[in-house]
Amino acid sequence: GDSVTQMEGPVTLSEEACLTINCTYTATGYPSLFWYVQYPGEGLQLLLKATKADDKGSNKGFEATYRKETTSFHLEKGSVQVSDSAVYFCALSRGGADGLTFGKGTHLIIQP
Amino acid sequence: EAGVAQSPRYKIIEKRQSVAFWCNPISGHATLYWYQQILGQGPKLLIQFQNNGVVDDSQLPKDRFSAERLKGVDSTLKIQPAKLEDSAVYLCASSFRGMGSDTQYFGPGTRLTVL
Repeated sequence: GDSVTQMEGPVTLSEEACLTINCTYTATGYPSLFWYVQYPGEGLQLLLKATKADDKGSNKGFEATYRKETTSFHLEKGSVQVSDSAVYFCALSRGGADGLTFGKGTHLIIQP
Repeated sequence: EAGVAQSPRYKIIEKRQSVAFWCNPISGHATLYWYQQILGQGPKLLIQFQNNGVVDDSQLPKDRFSAERLKGVDSTLKIQPAKLEDSAVYLCASSFRGMGSDTQYFGPGTRLTVL
């Protein structure tokens, strides 16, 4: 079946550091790929998405590129802020009768 | 635009008791999902509705869990009887069409503790 693997956390960085959270997937066909974020005390919200190979999703300074050849969708940001502290989930959907398949989440902690 | 509403936000019950959760999706969204998120894990899909019909309930433990979406709008998820391992956050989400590329919008969740 479908699966998503993302790096274990917590990941602790200093403010203004570069961020990469790795995400790889296993799925048949051509899934859509998502990054969702959960800020402390809040619900899950979409951060960015990409629906076909080589697409780049971007939002709030975060980027991720859909790489079919490596089945990856790594999340990157050039300079993180304390307000980026949250849990980040990579997910995929093949559509139709399929909901989202999530990774386990990566807890990101940004220190001032 | 109002988001996905869920109630209650928290619930504590004893094992073998029953419990029900309610969800009201974003207006006009045809597809509604229930997910179970156990502490330290990503959400897992339990059931997906398209309007008032079930599209996928392959991961719903049907001996104890049931869900309905009457009139294709709001939905209830019930657990009867509850087990200790049902302790989790139950998330409701909705999307406009249910296509793979659609964004799913999540509610705040109901945190269930089974003692």
